[in-house]
Amino acid sequence: DAGVIQSPRHEVTEMGQEVTLRCKPISGHNSLFWYRQTMMRGLELLIYFNNNVPIDDSGMPEDRFSAKMPNASFSTLKIQPSEPRDSAVYFCASSFAGGNTGELFFGEGSRLTVL
Amino acid sequence: GENVEQHPSTLSVQEGDSAVIKCTYSDSASNYFPWYKQELGKRPQLIIDIRSNVGEKKDQRIAVTLNKTAKHFSLHITETQPEDSAVYFCAAGGTSYGKLTFGQGTILTVHP
Repeated sequence: DAGVIQSPRHEVTEMGQEVTLRCKPISGHNSLFWYRQTMMRGLELLIYFNNNVPIDDSGMPEDRFSAKMPNASFSTLKIQPSEPRDSAVYFCASSFAGGNTGELFFGEGSRLTVL
Repeated sequence: GENVEQHPSTLSVQEGDSAVIKCTYSDSASNYFPWYKQELGKRPQLIIDIRSNVGEKKDQRIAVTLNKTAKHFSLHITETQPEDSAVYFCAAGGTSYGKLTFGQGTILTVHP
């Protein structure tokens, strides 16, 4: 398996623009997580899905952030409108949750810079 | 919800020395405690994990200990090498669809 695949790897945009980050989890995994990493806040869990259903979005910072998982092999994280404080590395991760918790596999991350 | 505290935030050692990183967690229901290593510009990757029915686990130069009563766990790296330099994250969870809460990370620097 190719692992968790994220795109784009780098995104530079201007304040006010819409940003869409994409993620393809590992085949067979049933839980998908979106994390944001910054120097100040470390790894923050934004939202997670199980079997394509959002379970907990309490980590989403504001209504400007939204996430979807239309099927088992694809998820998006959207920021609209973007602001400079959204600049961070956004990681998607997946695991198989059933019985004993499985290893969490991270994608390469999407580095977002909002000017 | 779960809260994970990690110490120290930075750790500097000489090559060959041991390094210890400690974490505490708040949710007594947590049953899975992994450690991730993140090299500069790369993704976090699992290096070792421990479940609540085990007190200690070792893998070559890396070991993890868990004290469920005190709700703390530690990472021990022996005979450190420069390539061990990275950010290390502890995490706790496992009770809700695999959700993990991460500590703030420890920047480990191993000097040759």
